[in-house]
Amino acid sequence: GESVGLHLPTLSVQEGDNSIINCAYSNSASDYFIWYKQESGKGPQFIIDIRSNMDKRQGQRVTVLLNKTVKHLSLQIAATQPGDSAVYFCAENINSNYQLIWGAGTKLIIKP
Amino acid sequence: DADVTQTPRNRITKTGKRIMLECSQTKGHDRMYWYRQDPGLGLRLIYYSFDVKDINKGEISDGYSVSRQAQAKFSLSLESAIPNQTALYFCATSDKSSYEQYFGPGTRLTVT
Repeated sequence: GESVGLHLPTLSVQEGDNSIINCAYSNSASDYFIWYKQESGKGPQFIIDIRSNMDKRQGQRVTVLLNKTVKHLSLQIAATQPGDSAVYFCAENINSNYQLIWGAGTKLIIKP
Repeated sequence: DADVTQTPRNRITKTGKRIMLECSQTKGHDRMYWYRQDPGLGLRLIYYSFDVKDINKGEISDGYSVSRQAQAKFSLSLESAIPNQTALYFCATSDKSSYEQYFGPGTRLTVT
């Protein structure tokens, strides 16, 4: 079965607030993690990635946190905007084999 | 112009028909992938190719075949389409030194 999964299928956030999307994984050999954003009618787009030798990485308005002890990954979006509405996927790579294993996705809804 | 293109974008076909989905890329990447996405699920890997002479089965290759005609072209065939192959199909590419994958816009396939 899938080793990557999400806690919440849908997340509603007030515009301007911070969003936190969570992801759990089960394989200790996972060495790379990546977050993608998929807007309606489009293919997934890269947001941010992190290697297993790191516990935090920041981008523009986004931060990914990795807790290897509990095998948990989160994506934080600061000051959520209407354009952030999408489905967010986490994916992992195991043993550097360049194949991504995808979670089921979380739909982020922005409330005005 | 889009870096990864897929044709057709939408297709309706009947059970038992053979159908081919095409993918082209201008990114110069060696690696190409075919995924399917079902409602509420993440992406599942069908086939992948790390170069023109290297083709590998993914998680759900049964009922599908692929052809890597050139570095820039990777096509997916359904030999005899069945209704449970109704899904959204994505092609992706990556550079051999990177885990990041770049996706096409998707092909929505309906098998009746």
